[in-house]
Amino acid sequence: DVKVTQSSRYLVKRTGEKVFLECVQDMDHENMFWYRQDPGLGLRLIYFSYDVKMKEKGDIPEGYSVSREKKERFSLILESASTNQTSMYLCASSFLQSSVTNYNSPLHFGNGTRLTVT
Amino acid sequence: AQSVTQLGSHVSVSEGALVLLRCNYSSSVPPYLFWYVQYPNQGLQLLLKYTTGATLVKGINGFEAEFKKSETSFHLTKPSAHMSDAAEYFCAVSDQSTDKLIFGTGTRLQVFP
Repeated sequence: DVKVTQSSRYLVKRTGEKVFLECVQDMDHENMFWYRQDPGLGLRLIYFSYDVKMKEKGDIPEGYSVSREKKERFSLILESASTNQTSMYLCASSFLQSSVTNYNSPLHFGNGTRLTVT
Repeated sequence: AQSVTQLGSHVSVSEGALVLLRCNYSSSVPPYLFWYVQYPNQGLQLLLKYTTGATLVKGINGFEAEFKKSETSFHLTKPSAHMSDAAEYFCAVSDQSTDKLIFGTGTRLQVFP
């Protein structure tokens, strides 16, 4: 079974802190994604990556950055955390085929990190 | 750009009753459509998907969905609800113009004994 592991289940950080959310997958997937999940808004794509050292902005990249130094690891960075970044963050991975949509390769999600910024 | 609308943020059914979760999409080209489920304190997992071919798609745990192009719908159904079906369900559509997966806002299913 594919395993996507997010390093923390719960995090509490202060406004202005630099925050790192880590995600590791064990299935040699090329694609990795970071989403945030908010009630009534569903999942919104923050950043994604097709390959090592490669990144693409999603729909809501402002206030975030990412790092992909190794194929299995994709980190989300909040350079200066703010209260409006309090949310559930979900990491996902999939195989690269013809496109990021990968209709033959579903997204595999981690269990999420619930971040609270006070 | 494509979009997904899930009608009803909360749906409640009795155990053994029919489950119907609604999803409509907007698309100018044939879409790829997905249903994901999120159980409490877990990430999302794929229930089923429609790409091409048969419009009635069967997924895990007895769920199925039918792609109706004329109605731009992809509703999720299960003939008989089980307590273990209580979860949040997300419909998603591939956005071929921007090459991304667009999620709906989710429907929380409650199942009463």
